[in-house]
Amino acid sequence: GAGVSQSPSNKVTEKGKDVELRCDPISGHTALYWYRQSLGQGLEFLIYFQGNSAPDKSGLPSDRFSAERTGGSVSTLTIQRTQQEDSAVYLCASSLAGRVNTGELFFGEGSRLTVL
Amino acid sequence: AQSVAQPEDQVNVAEGNPLTVKCTYSVSGNPYLFWYVQYPNRGLQFLLKYITGDNLVKGSYGFEAEFNKSQTSFHLKKPSALVSDSALYFCAVRDVSTNKLIFGTGTLLAVQP
Repeated sequence: GAGVSQSPSNKVTEKGKDVELRCDPISGHTALYWYRQSLGQGLEFLIYFQGNSAPDKSGLPSDRFSAERTGGSVSTLTIQRTQQEDSAVYLCASSLAGRVNTGELFFGEGSRLTVL
Repeated sequence: AQSVAQPEDQVNVAEGNPLTVKCTYSVSGNPYLFWYVQYPNRGLQFLLKYITGDNLVKGSYGFEAEFNKSQTSFHLKKPSALVSDSALYFCAVRDVSTNKLIFGTGTLLAVQP
C-alpha cells in the first residue's frame, strides 16, 4: 500500500482480555516504531525495530506489552490482560533506514483501544 | 535526557492572522528538531525539521519554524492562518543516542473564521 496501515482501527475489549494490534509499514522501510497517544499525554514511545537489530523495548510500560516484527515487515503489538489505563490510540510509524536520523517518520492512522 | 516542552495546550487565532505555536527543547549536543501535525482522526504528518544550517526552516503548507539556540526554542509560525490549519501540532526532538523521536504533549491550534 501507499502508506502505513494499521488494524483494527477501533478495538473495544473487556478488562483482562488480550489484544493484538497490527502494523503494515511502507514497503522497503526498515525502521518501525510504536507509540501510544493518550489524552493530554502526548506521544509515548513504546518500541523501535531497525532492520535485523535487536529491538529497543525501553518504552514498553510493563511486561504485559510485547511486540514482534516478522520478516522485517509486519509488526504486531500484543497487550495481555488489558487494563483500563491501556486505553489509548496506538500509533505505528515507519521510516527508511537513512531517514531515521532526520526524523521523517510516516505514521499510520492508529488503532484506538478502549478497555471497559 | 532529550526533551521538548510545548507550554500551550491550545492556541486560538483568527483566520488571516499570524500564528505561533511554541516549543522549547533540552538536549545534550546539537539538536535535531521536528514539527508534526495531526488532523482530526488522522495519523501524524511530518511538517518540517531543523538539522543544521539556516535558523529559519520552511516546511509544508506554508509553515516555518525558527531555531533559536540562545532561547532553546523552535517555535512554529505561519504568516496567515487558515481554518484548515486547525489541528494538533507536535514538536519533537531526536534522541541521538537511541534514534527515538521524543514528542511534546501537543498544542491544539484552533483557527476561527
